[in-house]
Amino acid sequence: QSVLTQPPSVSGAPGQRVTISCTGSSSNIGAGFDVHWYQQLPGRAPQLLIYGNSNRPSGVPDRFSGSKSGSSASLAITGLQADDEADFYCQSYDSSLSGSVLFGGGTRLTVL
Amino acid sequence: QPQLQESGPGLVKPSETLSLTCTVSGDSISGSGYYWAWIRQPPGKGLEYIGSIYFRGDTHFSPSLKSRVTISVDTSKNQFSLNVTSVTAADTAVYFCARHDHGVQSPLMSWGQGTLVTVSA
Repeated sequence: QSVLTQPPSVSGAPGQRVTISCTGSSSNIGAGFDVHWYQQLPGRAPQLLIYGNSNRPSGVPDRFSGSKSGSSASLAITGLQADDEADFYCQSYDSSLSGSVLFGGGTRLTVL
Repeated sequence: QPQLQESGPGLVKPSETLSLTCTVSGDSISGSGYYWAWIRQPPGKGLEYIGSIYFRGDTHFSPSLKSRVTISVDTSKNQFSLNVTSVTAADTAVYFCARHDHGVQSPLMSWGQGTLVTVSA
């Protein structure tokens, strides 16, 4: 069981907005460590989508946005498109047990 | 962005050691601030962090795997490697190598394509 908790699945119709939550604790997100988000298309390696809580790498559309508050973070996707269908993972760092990178359990986005 | 390529046996017997290498091209493995990471993904499951290394030898490991994992770097070959000892079927996964650009807390900006390792007799 991941220390960063994500919903297993979310869905939305084309054009709609969806959000994916990532809930941590006082030793990771709540301690001030940044949250990063990855998109993994079927059969592909993950690709960085959002870094430093809310920043988009070059080439990522502004339909994707990230935010962080307290011990949680969220990824929002607006104007859903069919090719957004993928698995999404949050990632942060945990200061307990000598420190470690953490991934959330992942969320499968289905575009209806 | 660098190119990362995993290589190694696709089949390992239970109780033996899994060994993989990641070859980096297009950038130096000795670059300042670069931490080189291993992540795995069991079939149909999520991503699991294994560990990271800096070219000078500083390492970070997942607490759940630390006792069985070794990560090393070979700057002369621009490669870094992963060893996982005493493997079981639970170690069957796609193994990815990746790079943190600014320390181990920074995002994983570059990834290899991944290589499937199956643990089976």
